[in-house]
Amino acid sequence: QVQLRESGPGLVKPSQTLSLTCTVSGGSISSAGYFWSWIRQHPGKGLEWIGYIYYSGGTYYNPSLTSRLTISVDTSKNHFSLKLTSVTAADTALYYCARGSGFHPADAFDIWGQGTMVTVSS
Amino acid sequence: DIQMTQSPSSLSASVGDRVTITCRASQSIGNYLNWYQQKSGKAPKLLIFTASSLQSGVPSTFSGSGSGTDFTLTISSLQPEDFATYYCQQSYSMPRTFGQGTKVELK
Repeated sequence: QVQLRESGPGLVKPSQTLSLTCTVSGGSISSAGYFWSWIRQHPGKGLEWIGYIYYSGGTYYNPSLTSRLTISVDTSKNHFSLKLTSVTAADTALYYCARGSGFHPADAFDIWGQGTMVTVSS
Repeated sequence: DIQMTQSPSSLSASVGDRVTITCRASQSIGNYLNWYQQKSGKAPKLLIFTASSLQSGVPSTFSGSGSGTDFTLTISSLQPEDFATYYCQQSYSMPRTFGQGTKVELK
């Protein structure tokens, strides 16, 4: 079955760039009908959608993060990545990658990684 | 952005109880509403998609209903493994948005 796993530094300094990768196993990131997402959860809080990417490279970003955000995909490595620039303490969160399934707008996040905690601190 | 508001924010219930959680959208979203369950320290799990469709492998004690702006998640008979936080999420428009969550605790 398809599994997702996030990886990346757990600690990032303020003003630097947060970089995470989500590796997809058990299936191809190029499979039609899916899109690949990042979602975060601030400590003790709810879920915030960050953005997603199709295997073809098309993206949708949350407008609140657009100016700092890049999501990319590498089909040869079967993974996709998140880069968030100029981070502050407000970016401290548990970051999840997730697979989106279904055709917009009847889509949902049906498979999630286990999450990786990123702390922004000097 | 479409705002999703859940009620209550938390509730206490006993095993075997019928539990109902409500989600209200700030504008009509058709039936483009999903429900997730999150247990402590775990990633969210999809329960219901497009308001009322049960995700594969999810017990039939879970059901969803509603359309437009008002939606409901019902657990017909609460089981010990159902104590968790539940989130609704709209897929009608960008950005995707979630409710603030409803924590179901043991009475």
